[in-house]
Amino acid sequence: SAVISQKPSRDICQRGTSLTIQCQVDSQVTMMFWYRQQPGQSLTLIATANQGSEATYESGFVIDKFPISRPNLTFSTLTVSNMSPEDSSIYLCSVDGVGPYGYTFGSGTRLTVV
Amino acid sequence: AQSVTQPDIHITVSEGASLELRCNYSYGATPYLFWYVQSPGQGLQLLLKYFSGDTLVQGIKGFEAEFKRSQSSFNLRKPSVHWSDAAEYFCAVAGGAGNMLTFGGGTRLMVKP
Repeated sequence: SAVISQKPSRDICQRGTSLTIQCQVDSQVTMMFWYRQQPGQSLTLIATANQGSEATYESGFVIDKFPISRPNLTFSTLTVSNMSPEDSSIYLCSVDGVGPYGYTFGSGTRLTVV
Repeated sequence: AQSVTQPDIHITVSEGASLELRCNYSYGATPYLFWYVQSPGQGLQLLLKYFSGDTLVQGIKGFEAEFKRSQSSFNLRKPSVHWSDAAEYFCAVAGGAGNMLTFGGGTRLMVKP
């Protein structure tokens, strides 16, 4: 399965600022997914990123708040914009290798907004 | 739309005892099912997955899961729990556009010495 390098692993940010999270995959993948895990909660899908097209956002998530880039088949970024303490969560990227066979997760970015 | 329910939020078992974590899914076609484990402060680790074939799936760390279509279930089992198994366990289903994973709410496992 694919190996994902996600960074930063953690950050503490001031409210009103933005943070960009990067995910680098060691092989070309079609779909990349971004999840949020709020404290003590399960994972919720933010958006699906397909190379060469706009990301598809889930209900409750908007592009202005969580812009995503997918410039090629091995890389994606998620930006958390205009942060508030409610954005404090773990953000994870995931890839779909060959169909559902290659679900792999990055190690996550633990974000604290103060 | 797909969904996953893990009825047990917390489970406590004694070390050496057997374990079963419940997972029920809703999906209109044949599901792809997964169990992940997340230790405190750690990322997600895949325990096992089911796509097709034998309904009893063996995974890592001595875990197994059984797919029961008639009950829409994919319960995770382990015959003898170790203290290091204490963690959060997530069941997930794949399907739909883009094969995104939908996660259940998770079950926190605590192991008594």
